[in-house]
Amino acid sequence: DQQVKQNSPSLSVQEGRISILNCDYTNSMFDYFLWYKKYPAEGPTFLISISSIKDKNEDGRFTVFLNKSAKHLSLHIVPSQPGDSAVYFCAAHERNTPLVFGKGTRLSVIA
Amino acid sequence: DTEVTQTPKHLVMGMTNKKSLKCEQHMGHRAMYWYKQKAKKPPELMFVYSYEKLSINESVPSRFSPECPNSSLLNLHLHALQPEDSALYLCASSRQTSYSRSNQPQHFGDGTRLSIL
Repeated sequence: DQQVKQNSPSLSVQEGRISILNCDYTNSMFDYFLWYKKYPAEGPTFLISISSIKDKNEDGRFTVFLNKSAKHLSLHIVPSQPGDSAVYFCAAHERNTPLVFGKGTRLSVIA
Repeated sequence: DTEVTQTPKHLVMGMTNKKSLKCEQHMGHRAMYWYKQKAKKPPELMFVYSYEKLSINESVPSRFSPECPNSSLLNLHLHALQPEDSALYLCASSRQTSYSRSNQPQHFGDGTRLSIL
């Protein structure tokens, strides 16, 4: 049973436009959500997070939105750059339990 | 540059070999993790160490044996592995495992790409 779902395996966006990556979860006890970016031959790199007491967190070009009622999380990247091309993993956990990862979405930013 | 260092980057071993994967962090983190990642799949948790003690073992076969000699080091000893154990092995660390209200993301190393012949 997948608790964290990334239903789009891939996404292509033109350089300069907005990239929106989506994530849905089923466990209403999750209280901390993270996005990781992964390049080939490297480990996942922490990008941005949000706790369940917030609905938005922004860091530069990256914004994460949390809709608790819909159990939905999204990552907005604007403007998108070719260097953003990577696999993006959504992850979540509830207190004192391990991280649960989604299957990832491959973002391709086309110049 | 990652603050979690894993060695070696690549390892090829036979099914009868014994080898070890090493992980080091100097961020003062007290929680360390081993994950296994197969191609096009998310990382799967194997072990969690908290304050140098094993706190979670996700039903990992005994041919994988973790060790935490001190708060900065985490090893994964491998013996009699099977071809299906070929994967990317990722180490991660975080300030602690209590996942308190503060922001405590896990930081990953670049992994060891393991191939079992």
